[in-house]
Amino acid sequence: EDQVTQSPEALRLQEGESSSLNCSYTVSGLRGLFWYRQDPGKGPEFLFTLYSAGEEKEKERLKATLTKKESFLHITAPKPEDSATYLCAVQAGGTYKYIFGTGTRLKVLA
Amino acid sequence: DGGITQSPKYLFRKEGQNVTLSCEQNLNHDAMYWYRQDPGQGLRLIYYSQIVNDFQKGDIAEGYSVSREKKESFPLTVTSAQKNPTAFYLCASSRQGQPQHFGDGTRLSIL
Repeated sequence: EDQVTQSPEALRLQEGESSSLNCSYTVSGLRGLFWYRQDPGKGPEFLFTLYSAGEEKEKERLKATLTKKESFLHITAPKPEDSATYLCAVQAGGTYKYIFGTGTRLKVLA
Repeated sequence: DGGITQSPKYLFRKEGQNVTLSCEQNLNHDAMYWYRQDPGQGLRLIYYSQIVNDFQKGDIAEGYSVSREKKESFPLTVTSAQKNPTAFYLCASSRQGQPQHFGDGTRLSIL
């Protein structure tokens, strides 16, 4: 069964304290892995797509990496405005369905 | 600007009442989706549609219904059979293999 597990559930960081969020997945034929940011009361906002092991994407303080079993979202020197829930999703080949993890709630303290 | 519009932002349902949530997209995407999000939980798929006049049940379709008469529109009806409808509902659209675009959600509560 296709499955996505995110860890940790919640993370508190001091401003400037770098860390990583994990997304482990099992899927039949990965078509794509997607990272989103969700603010309270809003819809998820797309961050990155990764398609194959070894691929990396970077945007400002965020960097996403992908292996055959997991993806990491690295946050370098975070700021309070990076506080949000980060969601990971995968799409298997041959399907239109996306499988979401339960997310990591990140709080960055000033 | 292209995007997804959900309405209303807040909705209240009385006992025994059906309510309909609107979702419109102008991104020319073939696929559209409805998710339910409860506090502390991930997104759970209610229904999805790959093409006009066709849709499939997701993981939690009981008590919900949809239609896809136009490419741009994918309304969701929460029927009286859904006994625990209080949640945040999200609509999304995508092309195959591409990231989903989401609306800003509708929060449904029971009166």
